[in-house]
Amino acid sequence: GAGVSQSPSNKVTEKGKDVELRCDPISGHTALYWYRQRLGQGLEFLIYFQGNSAPDKSGLPSDRFSAERTGESVSTLTIQRTQQEDSAVYLCASSLNRGNTEAFFGQGTRLTVV
Amino acid sequence: AQSVTQPDIHITVSEGASLELRCNYSYGATPYLFWYVQSPGQGLQLLLKYFSGDTLVQGIKGFEAEFKRSQSSFNLRKPSVHWSDAAEYFCAVGAPGGATNKLIFGTGTLLAVQP
Repeated sequence: GAGVSQSPSNKVTEKGKDVELRCDPISGHTALYWYRQRLGQGLEFLIYFQGNSAPDKSGLPSDRFSAERTGESVSTLTIQRTQQEDSAVYLCASSLNRGNTEAFFGQGTRLTVV
Repeated sequence: AQSVTQPDIHITVSEGASLELRCNYSYGATPYLFWYVQSPGQGLQLLLKYFSGDTLVQGIKGFEAEFKRSQSSFNLRKPSVHWSDAAEYFCAVGAPGGATNKLIFGTGTLLAVQP
């Protein structure tokens, strides 16, 4: 596609439910990032995929968070047993390769846990 | 691992005034450096980037930034601010080479522009 696409754009869920967020990167981009942006705060790194290498999961805040990516295609971020503090905008970005060329961001998924 | 600090959380300038947003990084070698802008309700847009070469880089919308190795800084500047520049600005640092090249972002500087 023309840009990074994220779905859903908004998600309201009840505390304790699982949610799955999807990211479609730009075709041909080998690097994919997930970030979390809480209201009024900066971007918190969650996880980074680079091609077929083992992902860098060092930013995942707890074992309730996980992410997958098959090859250089779609990625899903899963949050199990959601908590109110998980409420945030989850941003996905992709870039051409591991050389840290420009990262292109999606519009994000706004997650609200009630 | 790399890190980045944006010391100013919130800055207000008058329209037409000059602007400088500060960014300091921590990395053992020359990093990749970026400035992004996030306008209200919009996604993040790249303003400019530094990989190597000329330490003064020009970006879109009249912005520029200067890489100063001695100060571990990459401050963003604009000679004359427009009301449409009101937004949040993020500095980011990436690590060239190595197994992990994740981009680390600062906490952002919120810019308000007074008429």
